[in-house]
Amino acid sequence: EPEVTQTPSHQVTQMGQEVILRCVPISNHLYFYWYRQILGQKVEFLVSFYNNEISEKSEIFDDQFSVERPDGSNFTLKIRSTKLEDSAMYFCASLSGAYGNTQYFGPGTRLTVL
Amino acid sequence: AQSVTQLDSQVPVFEEAPVELRCNYSSSVSVYLFWYVQYPNQGLQLLLKYLSGSTLVKGINGFEAEFNKSQTSFHLRKPSVHISDTAEYFCAVSALDDKIIFGKGTRLHILP
Repeated sequence: EPEVTQTPSHQVTQMGQEVILRCVPISNHLYFYWYRQILGQKVEFLVSFYNNEISEKSEIFDDQFSVERPDGSNFTLKIRSTKLEDSAMYFCASLSGAYGNTQYFGPGTRLTVL
Repeated sequence: AQSVTQLDSQVPVFEEAPVELRCNYSSSVSVYLFWYVQYPNQGLQLLLKYLSGSTLVKGINGFEAEFNKSQTSFHLRKPSVHISDTAEYFCAVSALDDKIIFGKGTRLHILP
């Protein structure tokens, strides 16, 4: 079965540093998403991406965040200047867009900001 | 806009006993409903989903859920739980091709 992959599985960074989280969605999927889960809390939507542009973003997704699909296969989330409160599990998901299909989630990247 | 309420943050249940995890939702449009499971230190796994049709949905690991439109509920049930069912369970909703809105989760504790 096809799957969404994410790298790295765990990223440790210093506050103020830039990080890039990488995702490889399922190849024929058209919609891409990032979610985050702060430890012990619920999963929250960050941003959705379709047709090479952001289709929706949450209030969490401020100017420090950006997304890109640089080469038609990878889907990246960049945090320009990390804060302590950015520490969380970040999940990528993709969706084909066909009726009845659902989002496939990657295994997540655990980001720890020190 | 959609929202999801999981009334119980933790549910303890004895092994081999039945369990019901409650979920209520609100939405002004038709939605898809989901239950996801998250085992300790792991990602999200889809247990089951309701899109349309039969209101009783069967999923993996012996779980099932019933969609009740009038009560806007989508409760998850299992007739007999095992220690391996210890996990966090998230109810979620989404409109077609839209973001998923998750509930706060219910931690299922299986007691020996």
